[in-house]
Amino acid sequence: DSGVTQTPKHLITATGQRVTLRCSPRSGDLSVYWYQQSLDQGLQFLIQYYNGEERAKGNILERFSAQQFPDLHSELNLSSLELGDSALYFCASSTSGNTDTQYFGPGTRLTVL
Amino acid sequence: DQQVKQNSPSLSVQEGRISILNCDYTNSMFDYFLWYKKYPAEGPTFLISISSIKDKNEDGRFTVFLNKSAKHLSLHIVPSQPGDSAVYFCAASARGAQKLVFGQGTRLTINP
Repeated sequence: DSGVTQTPKHLITATGQRVTLRCSPRSGDLSVYWYQQSLDQGLQFLIQYYNGEERAKGNILERFSAQQFPDLHSELNLSSLELGDSALYFCASSTSGNTDTQYFGPGTRLTVL
Repeated sequence: DQQVKQNSPSLSVQEGRISILNCDYTNSMFDYFLWYKKYPAEGPTFLISISSIKDKNEDGRFTVFLNKSAKHLSLHIVPSQPGDSAVYFCAASARGAQKLVFGQGTRLTINP
């Protein structure tokens, strides 16, 4: 158990809908990262927050947004969903947000029908 | 542009023998490298890391070797156990950049 929690574990929705994925980092970690793993793909970095502020952005679509709250949990919002958004979404956390080890949650499997 | 490559999609090893997983990278700015292990329906689990100032790091049965001139790293597992059967991901990050860049993964199967 990494100490990173993600909810829900599974999510099934229809095209055009909007969903919110939630992540709670390990106790004491200030930095949260979001990654997407599509079928047969490696993990792709989406976005990082550090202590409430956006720190880095990867290949995140404009339809996707994220935020980190004062209690340090983070939410990833996916809107106008398309079939291609079906994937595993992982959250990771680290202590400082610089070059240090990231610990991953169990992931949310999103299926868009 | 695949900056981190794991060229072997799968590897099969006999229990008790050595497993060697390989990873190549192209970005010379990478200075921190990690290996993660992933079981189905679970998140990646951190195994071992190495900084670019070192060429070897050992933790129990796991050893990571870094060859900066060849831009190559490898993970050695000795001895291999059935519980080691999983997908292994190599990841790298560059100084000043926070994101990890992952390889495509290698599926390791340990045969009894």
